[in-house]
Amino acid sequence: GAGVSQSPRYKVTKRGQDVALRCDPISGHVSLYWYRQALGQGPEFLTYFNYEAQQDKSGLPNDRFSAERPEGSISTLTIQRTEQRDSAMYRCASSGEGAPAYEQYFGPGTRLTVT
Amino acid sequence: LAKTTQPISMDSYEGQEVNITCSHNNIATNDYITWYQQFPSQGPRFIIQGYKTKVTNEVASLFIPADRKSSTLSLPRVSLSDTAVYYCLAMTPGGYQKVTFGTGTKLQVIP
Repeated sequence: GAGVSQSPRYKVTKRGQDVALRCDPISGHVSLYWYRQALGQGPEFLTYFNYEAQQDKSGLPNDRFSAERPEGSISTLTIQRTEQRDSAMYRCASSGEGAPAYEQYFGPGTRLTVT
Repeated sequence: LAKTTQPISMDSYEGQEVNITCSHNNIATNDYITWYQQFPSQGPRFIIQGYKTKVTNEVASLFIPADRKSSTLSLPRVSLSDTAVYYCLAMTPGGYQKVTFGTGTKLQVIP
C-alpha cells in the first residue's frame, strides 16, 4: 500500500505564527513517531504514539510543541509562536503491529522555515 | 539506551566492498543491531538488523561478533547510488523504541 505521507512538504512561516504539520501513517500501523532533523544530523526523537495514546513526549523541546493523534491514525504536530530556531525538517515514521518495531517507515518530511 | 559510535564519513570507489564499523560497548542483552540508510532528501529506511553472527540480505551483510560490542555493515560492490548516510542503532525487537540516530556515517561513492 501507500507509504507514510506528510503535508505540507514545505512550509514557510513568519516568526510568531502557529503551524500544523500533518502525518498520515501506513494503514494499520499502530505506532507513530515524530522526529526533527537538522541539516547534517540524524533524526531527533520528539514524541511517540501507540494508537491514539501519546506515550512519550519527552523529546518535545518546550511547551510550544504539541502533538495529537485523536483517532489512532492521522497525527498533527503543532508548533505555536514559531521561532527561527524551529526551522528544520520534521519527519514522521510509523511501524506496524506484528512487524518488528525496529522497522520504522519514514515519510518524506515537512521542511519548515521560520522567517 | 545503548550508545553507538561510528565513523563520521567514508569514501569508496565504485565496485569496491565497503565495511562500516559501529561500536556499542554497552549494548543491552535484548537489543538488536539495526542499520538504516538515508539518501539525500529522503527519510531513513531500514536495511538490516541482527543479534549475533552474520546476517545477509539483498542489500547488505551484517557481522556481529560473539561479544556484541561492535558490528560491521558490509556493502558489496558499491555503486554511486549507495551514496548515503548509514545509521547504526541498538533497538529492541518489540514495543516502543525511543531511538537516537546520531550523525551516522556519510558514505560517498566515487566514480
